[in-house]
Amino acid sequence: SSDLTQDPAVSVALGQTVTITCQGDSLKNTFASWYQQKPGQAPVLVIYGDNRRPSEIPDRFSGSNSGNTASLTITGTRAGDEADYYCNSRATSGGVVFGGGTKLTVL
Amino acid sequence: EVQLVESGGGLVQPGRSLRLSCAVSGFNVDEYAMHWVRQAPGKGLEWVSGINWNRGKILYADSVMGRFTISRDNVNNSLYLEMSSLRPDDTARYYCAKSLYSRGWYELDYWGQGTLVTVSS
Repeated sequence: SSDLTQDPAVSVALGQTVTITCQGDSLKNTFASWYQQKPGQAPVLVIYGDNRRPSEIPDRFSGSNSGNTASLTITGTRAGDEADYYCNSRATSGGVVFGGGTKLTVL
Repeated sequence: EVQLVESGGGLVQPGRSLRLSCAVSGFNVDEYAMHWVRQAPGKGLEWVSGINWNRGKILYADSVMGRFTISRDNVNNSLYLEMSSLRPDDTARYYCAKSLYSRGWYELDYWGQGTLVTVSS
């Protein structure tokens, strides 16, 4: 299957650590990338490859990969981190596949 | 500065056609993979189509195969999506996006703001 599965919603207390996961067969052979999308805005790449971040993304964001599961971890979560988070990877068919997205709520 | 600006969206009747454009600046479209990704209202991201740096790979999602055509104009540094036989479930904001690496594929580091396509009678 080319699907990537994410939990629809996750919540975290302000200042705490949260992990968002992404599962799928395609992740056995390729890293996941992670995107943050705030309401009314385009997605922003936050993690790619083997835990790499674009320069403008704070090091509170980190990623890991194991087997068919990729994880995005946010430490010291801030109110501004509240957003939808999507994983993606190369699909087994050769195209691109996105996870269904996880809505992160900061309490 | 890298910029991607989509245009061409609007209200269209079912069964009709529409052409989306993505004007690019700050890099050459023929040096990176380029993709169209859509997002239906209140829904998640859905990959639509992609073209790699040398046009050796052009792929489509099953949901649009045979109806949509992706193309690229290196002279005008633009990406296009020709959409035909449009259906109500094609209603979405359509984003164009650029691959992170010159010969990369799915890691997308720059996105446009999107253009809204509404398919309705």
